[in-house]
Parts: sequence; C-alpha cells; structure tokens
Amino acid sequence: DAGITQSPRHKVTETGTPVTLRCHQTENHRYMYWYRQDPGHGLRLIHYSYGVKDTDKGEVSDGYSVSRSKTEDFLLTLESATSSQTSVYFCAISEEGGTGANYGYTFGSGTRLTVV
Amino acid sequence: KNEVEQSPQNLTAQEGEFITINCSYSVGISALHWLQQHPGGGIVSLFMLSSGKKKHGRLIATINIQEKHSSLHITASHPRDSAVYICAVRSFGNEKLTFGTGTRLTIIP
Repeated sequence: DAGITQSPRHKVTETGTPVTLRCHQTENHRYMYWYRQDPGHGLRLIHYSYGVKDTDKGEVSDGYSVSRSKTEDFLLTLESATSSQTSVYFCAISEEGGTGANYGYTFGSGTRLTVV
Repeated sequence: KNEVEQSPQNLTAQEGEFITINCSYSVGISALHWLQQHPGGGIVSLFMLSSGKKKHGRLIATINIQEKHSSLHITASHPRDSAVYICAVRSFGNEKLTFGTGTRLTIIP
C-alpha cells in the first residue's frame, strides 16, 4: 500500500473546462499539500490543508481551489482550466507541521495535466 | 535570488565515481530535506536533517547550519542513481517547504 495515491495519473482537458484532481491517503496524516512542478522552477505550493475543512493558500493559488471534507481526501479543482495550468501536480502528506516539529513528507506519484 | 540554490544543475559522471550535490539556503531553517525523483516518476524522500550528518547505504547527507549549506554525497555511484535530486527547506515557524530547482544526475556505465 503506497499510503498516498493520486488520480488521475494523466489527463488532457480543454481550456475553460473544470478539472478535479484527487489525493487520497491511508496514513491519517494531518497535513496535505498540493504542488505543481514546472521546468525551471522548484516545486511550488498551490494550497495546503492542516485538517478537515482547514485549508490555506500557497504561493501559486490563483485559479485553484481545494476541499478537504475527510481526513483522507484532498481535492484540487481548476474551475476553468487554462494552458498555463499545464503542469505536473504532486500531492504530499506530512504527519505534523507547526512550529518546532519536523516530520517527513510522503509524495504521491503525480498527475500530468495537459490543457489544450 | 531563490531562497534555495542547488549546484550543479546538471552532473554527468562515470559509474563508480564519488558524487557531491550542494544546496545553499538563505533563511533560518528548522529542517532540510533531500528528495529523489526518477524520470517520469514520483518523488521519494531520502533524508531529513536539522544538524550534522545522516547516512543510508551509499548516500550521505550533511548540513552546516552556520554556513546555511548542505551536501548530498553518493559513494560508488551506479546508473540506477540517475535521477533529479531536490533540496527543500522548512523555515522556522513555517509548516511549508521551499524547494530548489533540482540537480539532474546522470551516471554512465
């Protein structure tokens, strides 16, 4: 069991359509993150969650929304996909965050999204 | 200037060589992570460091907090070590990671 799974693994969609990516964990970790990975950039945080219904924006949140109605699921939605959102999206989980606490991160296998 | 800088960006070496990848950062941190990403693959956490040195098999990671610098070493490199190695830091009071752009390592048989 991988502990964290992303779906779909690949998706091609048209500009202007809504898209939802799913991250599912079986570790009962509190923190979940969505990142995007683009050439020439390090992984960049889109949104993260620190508990059910508790989410916050990252550095590249424009055009994205998230929801976390259950501990195990963190959904990333592109309300109206644009070509600039073509990227590889990674979900990650962390046991605990917060000041003074250092825990490892586990990453999903990624979702390759192409917006045409 | 990025908060996290890695060098070199690309590295090609012969099998068996000793490899060093460097990471410098500009903020005070509570932890530094080294990650590995194979082509087309997911991201695997190799090390998390807050001080000193850690070793796992042929991989060694060191950190110098005063100099804001970390190195990842690979001894007796092998073609299966070919991957992108990513450094990420977690600054004080922040539960989020800041990532370097990665070092692409290619080991030639």
